[in-house]
Amino acid sequence: EDKVVQSPLSLVVHEGDTVTLNCSYEVTNFRSLLWYKQEKKAPTFLFMLTSSGIEKKSGRLSSILDKKELFSILNITATQTGDSAVYLCAVDQNYGGSQGNLIFGKGTKLSVKP
Amino acid sequence: DSGVTQTPKHLITATGQRVTLRCSPRSGDLSVYWYQQSLDQGLQFLIQYYNGEERAKGNILERFSAQQFPDLHSELNLSSLELGDSALYFCASSSERLAEFEFGPGTRLTVL
Repeated sequence: EDKVVQSPLSLVVHEGDTVTLNCSYEVTNFRSLLWYKQEKKAPTFLFMLTSSGIEKKSGRLSSILDKKELFSILNITATQTGDSAVYLCAVDQNYGGSQGNLIFGKGTKLSVKP
Repeated sequence: DSGVTQTPKHLITATGQRVTLRCSPRSGDLSVYWYQQSLDQGLQFLIQYYNGEERAKGNILERFSAQQFPDLHSELNLSSLELGDSALYFCASSSERLAEFEFGPGTRLTVL
């Protein structure tokens, strides 16, 4: 059965800390891995990763994929209270040429204390 | 705003009833996806339509059905509702580039 597992399920840190969120997957016909941030509304896109070892960066956030070991990490440096959210990892499968049929992990709930 | 829109925002109904959720994709997007987010199951893919045709099916119950109309808006029909159907239902749309996949604001369904 295809699955995406995120760890930890929840995390509490203080402003300024650096955090690493983990995502492992067992999915047939892997196409890409995506990270989303979800506050009290719809998930918003952070990164899409398709190749191993190439780091994607956006400000204080970065992510990398290891297709051999089947995992990805999302790093957030110098955390701020605005980073508090649920971070979702999802895998897109190559499903008959279709895309967007994402398999999501349960998410990591990050709480950043002032 | 040409983003994904969904109506209604909230829906409260009783067990056994039928409801229809509506989604308008982002301007120019041909693909529409429906996802269900519940506390115990997380976000789950239900179904995808592309330019009016069903493209892929996920964990969609037989009591649920969807369609995409010629103007590309989509409707998700949920019938014989059960308490466990209470969830957030998201619609999403995309262009050819998956990185531009965008979720709508969601419809919160409560079945009493």
